[in-house]
Amino acid sequence: GAVVSQHPSWVICKSGTSVKIECRSLDFQATTMFWYRQFPKQSLMLMATSNEGSKATYEQGVEKDKFLINHASLTLSTLTVTSAHPEDSSFYICSALLWTPNTEAFFGQGTRLTVV
Amino acid sequence: EDKVVQSPLSLVVHEGDTVTLNCSYEVTNFRSLLWYKQEKKAPTFLFMLTSSGIEKKSGRLSSILDKKELFSILNITATQTGDSAVYLCAVEPARGTYKYIFGTGTRLKVLA
Repeated sequence: GAVVSQHPSWVICKSGTSVKIECRSLDFQATTMFWYRQFPKQSLMLMATSNEGSKATYEQGVEKDKFLINHASLTLSTLTVTSAHPEDSSFYICSALLWTPNTEAFFGQGTRLTVV
Repeated sequence: EDKVVQSPLSLVVHEGDTVTLNCSYEVTNFRSLLWYKQEKKAPTFLFMLTSSGIEKKSGRLSSILDKKELFSILNITATQTGDSAVYLCAVEPARGTYKYIFGTGTRLKVLA
């Protein structure tokens, strides 16, 4: 199957700093990628839809100025958590849509963010 | 409000047992229901279901969708310890958006 790579796998940062997470589709072009957040023992919650060449679409309750998304190329979307706080500590996962032959979403391995 | 509910939340069985995981949903414009297996990190795709009554099968795993009663089941026969994982059900609530709504998952543990 198609491969989506997320980097880094885990990161620890200090409160107030910003952290960038990358999501790459390695062997296909992805015009649409999604960013999810997962708290311990909870389900994946969609944060935003990342579209190549246009602004991301954020779900209700997600602060777009805090979670900056950039989808500058057909294989890369980035999520930047700005001015991170401990409550931002979570597991962030991206997925990329492969449109052909049957549309399917492939997930990255996730990034565990810990803000101290 | 669109929602996906999975049951049971957690399940412990012995190797060789058969398990059935449930997923019920309420969404505005249903397009598809997906099952994923999540071990430690990224969910891995198992099945996509779009039509009622058609069983999808992959080895010891099978799944079926009932669009009238708004639920799906995932069956695992002859369970193995490697089946231990969280099984996630996701529904696409509106056609063409691919914005999946996930259930909280069923945590399955298979004992040797």
